[in-house]
Amino acid sequence: GAVVSQHPSWVICKSGTSVKIECRSLDFQATTMFWYRQFPKQSLMLMATSNEGSKATYEQGVEKDKFLINHASLTLSTLTVTSAHPEDSSFYICSVTMPKNIQYFGAGTRLSVL
Amino acid sequence: QKEVEQDPGPLSVPEGAIVSLNCTYSNSAFQYFMWYRQYSRKGPELLMYTYSSGNKEDGRFTAQVDKSSKYISLFIRDSQPSDSATYLCAMSVGAGGTSYGKLTFGQGTILTVHP
Repeated sequence: GAVVSQHPSWVICKSGTSVKIECRSLDFQATTMFWYRQFPKQSLMLMATSNEGSKATYEQGVEKDKFLINHASLTLSTLTVTSAHPEDSSFYICSVTMPKNIQYFGAGTRLSVL
Repeated sequence: QKEVEQDPGPLSVPEGAIVSLNCTYSNSAFQYFMWYRQYSRKGPELLMYTYSSGNKEDGRFTAQVDKSSKYISLFIRDSQPSDSATYLCAMSVGAGGTSYGKLTFGQGTILTVHP
């Protein structure tokens, strides 16, 4: 399977600041990555599809100006939470898609906005 | 009605028990079926992947898919305390589907295996 590295694992920031989360595919060239959000004791909620070299596709209800996604290379996608507020505090997880729709996930990033 | 239904539990079993986890789904376009294990504050880890109806075994884990009933299962034999985690079923449509590549998850079942 694919090895997916996500960084940082935990970030604390002040309200109003921006936070960037990196997702790297270490052994697979990923044209498509996904970004998820997960609240405590809930399942994963798909936020957006990150496409290498093109704009991300956002799910309904996800603010594209709030959650900026850049997929500039086949091994790196970034999610920037702009002007973060306490309600943005959550667990963010990226995944890499391989053939046959198998997704491999990063370890996740816990965001705490004070 | 959700596309994928999974009993959230929680499920508590003694060590050595056989665990049965299940999901039902309503979308007949689902072709790929996966089971993930997620430890607290970690990303999901792929356990099993199946494409067709039938059984697939890997060590202590057996995945079962019944497309006619729209029902999938994961069996864990000789369960261990280290199996304590949340188990998520996930599925996706086949090539040509409008949501191809996206996974639809169940709600997750919290499993605790006590010594």
